[in-house]
Amino acid sequence: SHELTQPPSVSVSPGQTASITCSGDKLGDQYACWYQQRPGQPPVLVIYEYNKRPSGIPERFSGSSSGNTAALTISGTQAMDEADYYCQAWDSSTGRWVFGGGTKLTVL
Amino acid sequence: QVHLVQSGAEVRKPGASVRVSCKASGYRFTTYGVAWVRQAPGQGLEWVGWINSYNGNTNYGEKVQGRATLTRDISTSTVYMELRSLSSDDTALYYCARAYCTSNRCSSGFDSWGLGTLLTVPS
Repeated sequence: SHELTQPPSVSVSPGQTASITCSGDKLGDQYACWYQQRPGQPPVLVIYEYNKRPSGIPERFSGSSSGNTAALTISGTQAMDEADYYCQAWDSSTGRWVFGGGTKLTVL
Repeated sequence: QVHLVQSGAEVRKPGASVRVSCKASGYRFTTYGVAWVRQAPGQGLEWVGWINSYNGNTNYGEKVQGRATLTRDISTSTVYMELRSLSSDDTALYYCARAYCTSNRCSSGFDSWGLGTLLTVPS
């Protein structure tokens, strides 16, 4: 089955840039999405189709991809960005979605 | 404004079935599919299934394939998820989420989410 791998945790100082990666064998042929989930809340879509931001998502959130790795970058990280982040992709060969294991972002 | 309102928490015994609902409002129901995602306590997100609200086509995750059925009622803009042969492994918060797909691609992610329905299956 298709799997997406994320680092379990990432730490960043306030105002610095945080980067979270997501790797998968088929990711180069798919369009990665990213979600932010704060404790006790549903996930929020922050990036779709690798690098597009939904309405209302701050410009400091950006996405990129290279080969079979996608990345979420948060520039000028704020305390409010502390949350769990999940990557996601849709597998066109099966019609199924898959999530990465999630990354806990800590803003120290 | 898009809203997805889910039914309340459920407790079931192992081997039983459950049906959870998700009522959509604020958009044209048949334009978007509805996905279900679950999250076990303290764990990550797992995609459960998806239904095309227009034609009723469905797809399911491997762990629930054969045990889950998604249906929709266009007249009430409601999607239902039935899960059978429950075990403690199914204990989780179940979210419904809106998903846009073209004829050959579902790359836009899940842009609106319900608040979740907690399903508890005691071991």
